[in-house]
Amino acid sequence: GAGVSQSPSNKVTEKGKDVELRCDPISGHTALYWYRQSLGQGLEFLIYFQGNSAPDKSGLPSDRFSAERTGGSVSTLTIQRTQQEDSAVYLCASSPGHANTEAFFGQGTRLTVV
Amino acid sequence: QQQVKQSPQSLIVQKGGISIINCAYENTAFDYFPWYQQFPGKGPALLIAIRPDVSEKKEGRFTISFNKSAKQFSLHIMDSQPGDSATYFCAASKGGNQFYFGTGTSLTVIP
Repeated sequence: GAGVSQSPSNKVTEKGKDVELRCDPISGHTALYWYRQSLGQGLEFLIYFQGNSAPDKSGLPSDRFSAERTGGSVSTLTIQRTQQEDSAVYLCASSPGHANTEAFFGQGTRLTVV
Repeated sequence: QQQVKQSPQSLIVQKGGISIINCAYENTAFDYFPWYQQFPGKGPALLIAIRPDVSEKKEGRFTISFNKSAKQFSLHIMDSQPGDSATYFCAASKGGNQFYFGTGTSLTVIP
């Protein structure tokens, strides 16, 4: 597709379970970002991948959160032992990774931990 | 530390009025300042963007004013319409790398 694709669009999981959220960036985009957005709140930075560089993980809220980007394309955000406070919309974005270019967002994955 | 500070948190404007959202940044190395618009249930989408070598950019009813010396930039929505009701985020980036977002402004335009 032409845009950033995220799956699933909605995920309901039980507290304590692990979840995986997937992001397919726009083809050729070297930069990929994960953000978290709680209801009515702003964009909380989680992690940033740029090409083959080491990712910037400074926004991950705990060691239960991890992310990978395979082959410089698809990324997976994993949340282990989910907690109710993890409930939020998880947004992925990608960009060409050079100056004066925008980041394109996916529709997000709404995660609900019950 | 919040790299980009945005205000107000919420804004209510009458139809036909002017909506103004302000942002301030700290890092003078930022070279790209986009504004994003987000409707409920959707991801943010680029609305308009500016580089620091210009002081103003206008696209239709949307204008960015940029004050490099003050390290501030603002979004002006002229003739605001109910369809403009959304959340607006300012952002800043350097060299196409990490995007730093403001905390967002919820705009409601009353018919």
